[in-house]
Amino acid sequence: QQQVKQSPQSLIVQKGGIPIINCAYENTAFDYFPWYQQFPGKGPALLIAIRPDVSEKKEGRFTISFNKSAKQFSLHIMDSQPGDSATYFCAASLTGFQKLVFGTGTRLLVSP
Amino acid sequence: EAQVTQNPRYLITVTGKKLTVTCSQNMNHEYMSWYRQDPGLGLRQIYYSMNVEVTDKGDVPEGYKVSRKEKRNFPLILESPSPNQTSLYFCASSFQGQAYNEQFFGPGTRLTVL
Repeated sequence: QQQVKQSPQSLIVQKGGIPIINCAYENTAFDYFPWYQQFPGKGPALLIAIRPDVSEKKEGRFTISFNKSAKQFSLHIMDSQPGDSATYFCAASLTGFQKLVFGTGTRLLVSP
Repeated sequence: EAQVTQNPRYLITVTGKKLTVTCSQNMNHEYMSWYRQDPGLGLRQIYYSMNVEVTDKGDVPEGYKVSRKEKRNFPLILESPSPNQTSLYFCASSFQGQAYNEQFFGPGTRLTVL
């Protein structure tokens, strides 16, 4: 199974809140899980990524939590700001392959 | 400045009229790829190329062609566009080898086929 399922489709939080975006996958051969951030009118850009040998990775206010047994991973944004309003895509790749399989995206709105 | 450029950024055309969307990168990347982005479907890969003269189909290749004659350029060709190809298209590039090589995306081309 090549799919990556992402939820929710859209999310509204107040400034300072902690939005959480979840992704699930079926293929246990996936070994790289990046998150891309896309602002309106722009292309996606790599935000943060994790390999399955760790359960958590933090970069600034962004944290990936990874649950290998459940085949799930999630993005948490601490102290969210209006500037974080964007579409977020999770993705996964197979060992030795360049190709990324993307989730369907989550549109996040952080209200002031 | 390291970047991926696409042209045109916006295009409105009619069914059956051949068109080409250009993509160019200045980072000496081997791997290049085309995606289409549709609401509720995320980013789906159309074609990819691992190097000059090496191309292969992605998940949704029907109705598209590509070529890779130079390392920096990877044009997307729609020989007979149809309304179901109305979409937002992105070109991306990265160093070849492993998926953890960051993929850099262009700014996108919004195509409408009437």
